[in-house]
Amino acid sequence: DAGVTQSPTHLIKTRGQQVTLRCSPKSGHDTVSWYQQALGQGPQFIFQYYEEEERQRGNFPDRFSGHQFPNYSSELNVNALLLGDSALYLCASSRDTNEKLFFGSGTQLSVL
Amino acid sequence: LAKTTQPISMDSYEGQEVNITCSHNNIATNDYITWYQQFPSQGPRFIIQGYKTKVTNEVASLFIPADRKSSTLSLPRVSLSDTAVYYCLVVIILTGGGNKLTFGTGTQLKVEL
Repeated sequence: DAGVTQSPTHLIKTRGQQVTLRCSPKSGHDTVSWYQQALGQGPQFIFQYYEEEERQRGNFPDRFSGHQFPNYSSELNVNALLLGDSALYLCASSRDTNEKLFFGSGTQLSVL
Repeated sequence: LAKTTQPISMDSYEGQEVNITCSHNNIATNDYITWYQQFPSQGPRFIIQGYKTKVTNEVASLFIPADRKSSTLSLPRVSLSDTAVYYCLVVIILTGGGNKLTFGTGTQLKVEL
């Protein structure tokens, strides 16, 4: 049983570009959350998807958007990249609101 | 939002018990406490969660006093492989469904021989 898988593992972009990160949740999970983790900091909540809709959102600008597909996989899109968007982007899935989260290994995004 | 405060770092030796205390003074009635472990270049991994009193699983124990303003993660007999960052979080159940985990900077635990 595969856990949470994310792709790509590493990505290099330049300022102003757009990026799409992908996540496949653990089997049986229907809720996907995205987090941004800067170096030396704890993960910061971006948003959570359930039933293909954004259910909750953290304090991130509209440049950050997402999508959840019928098979529960999810994408995170970031437009107009800034240097400060360089971070590890983590996807986490869960089976229910109160269930523990399972995290993927993340996508390391570098913006030059 | 319930903010958590925990030590930035702790050092221990193999075989010792490690207790990491976290304060969360503004925890709300329906919120609960959870702890995650993170190794470099990996996503956090769930350790334990609880609402009050004591919870124990195969890797750790979680002690929560009656006022729930703090909690203590206890790791029995640590080994070198327990060297990691440990995050204390308050899970906030949100109106309309879903929850949100607010991570702090965590506690860097270093275990030596």
